[in-house]
Amino acid sequence: DIQMTQSPSTLSASVGDRVTITCRASQSISNWLAWYQQKPGKAPRPLIYKVSSLESGVPSRFSGSGSGTEFTLTISSLQPDDFATYYCQQYNSSPGTFGQGTKVEIK
Amino acid sequence: EVQLVQSGAEVKKPGESLKISCKGSGYNFMSYWIGWVRQMPGKGLEWMGIIYPGDSETRYSPSFQGQVIISVDKSISTAYLQWRSLKASDTAIYYCARGTRDGYNSNFDYWGQGTLVTVSS
Repeated sequence: DIQMTQSPSTLSASVGDRVTITCRASQSISNWLAWYQQKPGKAPRPLIYKVSSLESGVPSRFSGSGSGTEFTLTISSLQPDDFATYYCQQYNSSPGTFGQGTKVEIK
Repeated sequence: EVQLVQSGAEVKKPGESLKISCKGSGYNFMSYWIGWVRQMPGKGLEWMGIIYPGDSETRYSPSFQGQVIISVDKSISTAYLQWRSLKASDTAIYYCARGTRDGYNSNFDYWGQGTLVTVSS
């Protein structure tokens, strides 16, 4: 299985901050990477697919970049609604493994 | 509107069997893979397996192969996740989700609301 490692595990930030989350794959996954946002008690919400394509309805303050084995999710100006846990997922090969998650907390 | 609606919460004893469901609507159910994802209490997301309703082709994560059975009844646009003998360690929320790519390697663009399974003696 391809291992996905996110960093940091927890991130404390303030409203308006620029936030970056990193996701590293144990081998190349080309551009088959997605990001999801999850709030407590809710199902994951798709944010980004194929590294940088925004899902419908996702605000433009979210962006994704990277290729091969290293990827980032950036929130350009953190909003109150963005405090949540974020997961990356590789879908280059089966099983489509997820990162362990990054919790974005209020500073 | 695309929707995946899952069956309700279950409380079971160790050794019991269980089958939970995920009903798709608002799209051509036969043409999109449906995956299952586990989330143990306070933990992250784990990819369990995926099924193509059109021909029932199924792929499992090695971690879940032999532990669960994924199936589908395309006549009622419903996918299933089944256990023959539950363990306490199966306690988790289980999500179904719709795949987007042609093939079992897929991200997920729509998710069910989740089914909480509690296994306790």
